[in-house]
This record gives sequence, structure tokens and C-alpha cells, in this order.
Amino acid sequence: AQSVTQPDIHITVSEGASLELRCNYSYGATPYLFWYVQSPGQGLQLLLKYFSGDTLVQGIKGFEAEFKRSQSSFNLRKPSVHWSDAAEYFCAVVSGGGADGLTFGKGTHLIIQP
Amino acid sequence: GAGVSQSPRYKVAKRGQDVALRCDPISGHVSLFWYQQALGQGPEFLTYFQNEAQLDKSGLPSDRFFAERPEGSVSTLKIQRTQQEDSAVYLCASKDRTGWQETQYFGPGTRLLVL
Repeated sequence: AQSVTQPDIHITVSEGASLELRCNYSYGATPYLFWYVQSPGQGLQLLLKYFSGDTLVQGIKGFEAEFKRSQSSFNLRKPSVHWSDAAEYFCAVVSGGGADGLTFGKGTHLIIQP
Repeated sequence: GAGVSQSPRYKVAKRGQDVALRCDPISGHVSLFWYQQALGQGPEFLTYFQNEAQLDKSGLPSDRFFAERPEGSVSTLKIQRTQQEDSAVYLCASKDRTGWQETQYFGPGTRLLVL
């Protein structure tokens, strides 16, 4: 069965510093990978997705992610974080078959220090 | 345009009560999903509809959970005889086409607390 691991429960970054959130997946076939962000009281918002082609994917709000098949990783990056980036970040993989349901990691809570 | 909406936003139930949670997907969206998000966890898949057909209910935790989408639009998730372990945020998502690469758009969720 597919699974997603986000090894960091919390990450603290200073405002203006760079960010990398880790995501590792376990999936037998070509994965379809997503990063979502969840702010307090808000629904999940898609940042970016990967399903084929260029392994470096650009998303909204200045985020990017790189798919590395050899490492089974899909890490999220941002060169300079803003206080408004403080939120919960979830990596997800599509479950496959006919259902299209997403399998999520447990999330990484991002804290921004002034 | 209007996004996915869910109601109520908050629900407090006494153990043993039945609850019904509503999801209004984006108009015209074919696919609809329900997820359960426990505190401090990622969302977990419950069930999936394509139009009015429930194609996957493998994630429903027990036979107390029931979902329907009779006209292929609005969906209701019903939980019978609620238990404390049912306390969670219930998220609904929709997408306009089938296909793994299509984006799921999420609603704000219904936070259920069972006392």
C-alpha cells in the first residue's frame, strides 16, 4: 500500500530564511504527488503537484518542489519565507486504482520566527 | 467563484446521537470525496463518489458511517450512534474531472466534537 512520510513534525524558520520540508513516499508505480497547505480555520489549499515531466515543479506563493525518484522524495522548498507562510503543510500521493483518493502524510507545522 | 462549502462548521454531539454533515461541492464537479482529520494528523480518506455513484467506501471506519450523494451534487455524511473517537474534522473535496492528476478542492471542514 502507498504511504507518505513527513519526518519533521515541527520546523522553525526565521523570516526571510530559506525553507525545505521533507516528504518521502512509498508507491509501486509512477506517483502522483501533491503538496497542500492548511492555515487555521481554512481548508486545504493546493500548492503544487507532480505527475510527469520536469521533476522541478513550480507552485503558488513562491513554492517549488523537486521529485527525486531515486530517493523516493518530493521535498518542498521556498527561498525566502514570509510570516504568512506559518501553517501546516501536507504532502500527499494519489491512492491509485479507480478511486483517486489521496493518502496524506501527518503534516509539518511551520513556525516563522520574526 | 464559489468554492466547496460545508455545514455545519461546528457540531457538538452527545455520545450515541446521530449526526449529518453536509457538503456542497463546486458546481459541476463530478467527483466528491470525504476525509476525516483527527487532531494533529493528516486527513484520511473515507469515501468517494463519481456523480451519484459511490465507487469507494473502503475508508469508512465502521458501519455507523454512511454517505450519500443522491443527485450527484450535494453529499451528506451521516454518523450513527456517535462515539468519542469520532471527534475529528470532516473534510469534503471535489474535482471537476476524474483522473489522478486533477486537483481536489477542499472545503473548510466540519469540526465534530462528541462528548
